Amino acid sequence: DTEVTQTPKHLVMGMTNKKSLKCEQHMGHRAMYWYKQKAKKPPELMFVYSYEKLSINESVPSRFSPECPNSSLLNLHLHALQPEDSALYLCASSRSGQPGSGANVLTFGAGSRLTVL
Amino acid sequence: AQKVTQAQTEISVVEKEDVTLDCVYETRDTTYYLFWYKQPPSGELVFLIRRNSFDEQNEISGRYSWNFQKSTSSFNFTITASQVVDSAVYFCALIDIQGAQKLVFGQGTRLTINP
Repeated sequence: DTEVTQTPKHLVMGMTNKKSLKCEQHMGHRAMYWYKQKAKKPPELMFVYSYEKLSINESVPSRFSPECPNSSLLNLHLHALQPEDSALYLCASSRSGQPGSGANVLTFGAGSRLTVL
Repeated sequence: AQKVTQAQTEISVVEKEDVTLDCVYETRDTTYYLFWYKQPPSGELVFLIRRNSFDEQNEISGRYSWNFQKSTSSFNFTITASQVVDSAVYFCALIDIQGAQKLVFGQGTRLTINP
């Protein structure tokens, strides 16, 4: 079993809905990440939280709103999404709170597959 | 800027064949780390190996081996005696210490092992 748990596994939403993706890890990792992955493409970084503070935002549209309530939890709030936002959303965590450290090995969850109608 | 190239989009072999996945990278930094991740159909990326730029030793782990050559900026991955369970998308990735400091992935190679 993966040590990074993501819920829900599948989500279908309309363009006017508000929904959230959740991610949880209990490995004591201090950095958490959201990635977006379109079909047949590599993951693309969206956000990084380091020590529960947002440290990287890759110019993601405001309809995606991350939240890190504590060191174990990471949420991604979704509002007014577009069909092109349909993708696999992957959460990851790493032991070091320094995302740029090459020593960081990211542990990924299984992802939440989002479909926007 | 960093860049990772996996020229092989898809590879299909018969079980028990050996297969090599190529990875070529570009970076201006002297200190960097290279990774391989496996993404099975279930979706999660599974870490396979990390190698830093100062360690050119090849590594073997069971049926998996990695060949790191700085002279050609390559970090190739070989699976010996492939099995159906090896079917997945494999990503090579790079992170440098002084540049963007974020993991840069190659486009991935979809490997299919046929029984």
